[in-house]
Amino acid sequence: SYELTQPPSVSVSPGQTASITCSGDKLGDKYAYWYRQMPGQSPVLVIYQDTKRPSGIPERFSGSNSGNTATLTISGTQAMDEADYYCQAWDSSTDVVFGGGTKLTVL
Amino acid sequence: QVQLVESGGGLVKPGGSLRLSCAASGFSFSDYYMSWIRQAPGKGLEWVSYISSGSTYTNYADSVKGRFTISRDNAKNSVYLQMNSLRAEDTAVYYCASHSGYDSGLDYWGQGILVTVSS
Repeated sequence: SYELTQPPSVSVSPGQTASITCSGDKLGDKYAYWYRQMPGQSPVLVIYQDTKRPSGIPERFSGSNSGNTATLTISGTQAMDEADYYCQAWDSSTDVVFGGGTKLTVL
Repeated sequence: QVQLVESGGGLVKPGGSLRLSCAASGFSFSDYYMSWIRQAPGKGLEWVSYISSGSTYTNYADSVKGRFTISRDNAKNSVYLQMNSLRAEDTAVYYCASHSGYDSGLDYWGQGILVTVSS
């Protein structure tokens, strides 16, 4: 079955750039999606089809996907960005697969 | 605005059954695929099942295959998850989510409903 691997945690200082990676076999051949989940809330789609932002998602959120790694980048990170972030892809053997999630801490 | 509202959760004994419902509004429900995703306490997201817009295609995670059944009623703008032979490891918050098709993002999510399997 297909697997996506994320670092359990990432820390960033306010105003700096946070990068969260997601690794999977030939992930660059698939679309990567990213979700933000605030404590006690439902996940929200923040990046779709590798690089696109849904309406209402701030421009400081961006994505890339190449080779075996997709990356979510948050520029000018704010305290409100502290949350869990999940990557997701579709695979013919597993259909929807999520990464294990990354807890972003802004300190 | 788009709303997805889950219902039907609760406490059930191991081996028991439960039927979750998800009522949709604010978008053209019959044009969208729907998925169920769950999150065990303190854990990550796990996809459970999806159903295509016209119910032609369904699929399930290996962990629930043969025990769970997804269905939908486009006339009622609702999707369902029938859960049988429940196990302790099925304890989780269950979310329904919409997506425009296979290989698309899960663009709207419900608030989630807690299912607890315990004796």
